[in-house]
Amino acid sequence: GAVVSQHPSWVICKSGTSVKIECRSLDFQATTMFWYRQFPKQSLMLMATSNEGSKATYEQGVEKDKFLINHASLTLSTLTVTSAHPEDSSFYICSAEQGNTIYFGEGSWLTVV
Amino acid sequence: DQQVKQNSPSLSVQEGRISILNCDYTNSMFDYFLWYKKYPAEGPTFLISISSIKDKNEDGRFTVFLNKSAKHLSLHIVPSQPGDSAVYFCAANAGGTSYGKLTFGQGTILTVHP
Repeated sequence: GAVVSQHPSWVICKSGTSVKIECRSLDFQATTMFWYRQFPKQSLMLMATSNEGSKATYEQGVEKDKFLINHASLTLSTLTVTSAHPEDSSFYICSAEQGNTIYFGEGSWLTVV
Repeated sequence: DQQVKQNSPSLSVQEGRISILNCDYTNSMFDYFLWYKKYPAEGPTFLISISSIKDKNEDGRFTVFLNKSAKHLSLHIVPSQPGDSAVYFCAANAGGTSYGKLTFGQGTILTVHP
């Protein structure tokens, strides 16, 4: 069946640096992908909708200049956390839309030290 | 503002019995509801969904009930199996938006004991 893969699964970075997380749809093309974030003991919160070939749509309260999203191909969306700070440490997960079915990646744990 | 709430952080059930997971929502614009199951180190996987035009949807051992007037839905698993032990998320989608724009609850950890 359809698979969405994220990389890396775990990443530790220093405060002030940038880190990129990739989300790939492995056996289908996804014009739309979604990025979520989950803090401990909280729910998955939608950050942005990633549209192939166009700018991402960000949810209220999400800084677009800090969380850069690029969806340059039909199978790849990337989330770059720029100038990361410890408060950005979280679980980031993507999903991809195929018709009216949504497939999630495995998620990426980011720790900023 | 938590628009989708799962008030029980955890649930423990004996194998063979019924598991009932509950979810409440506040946004009247939600018209499509989903349940996802998540194992550690994996992404959520879709279980079952229900449209607001229905009050029940069944798929094998899984049944979802929707009470629109109470803005409440529940997932019933009968009979429960140890392999059902996971985190269960309730999610909602508002009409007119992309299917992928979901609002999630906090999740309920289900443990099914042999």
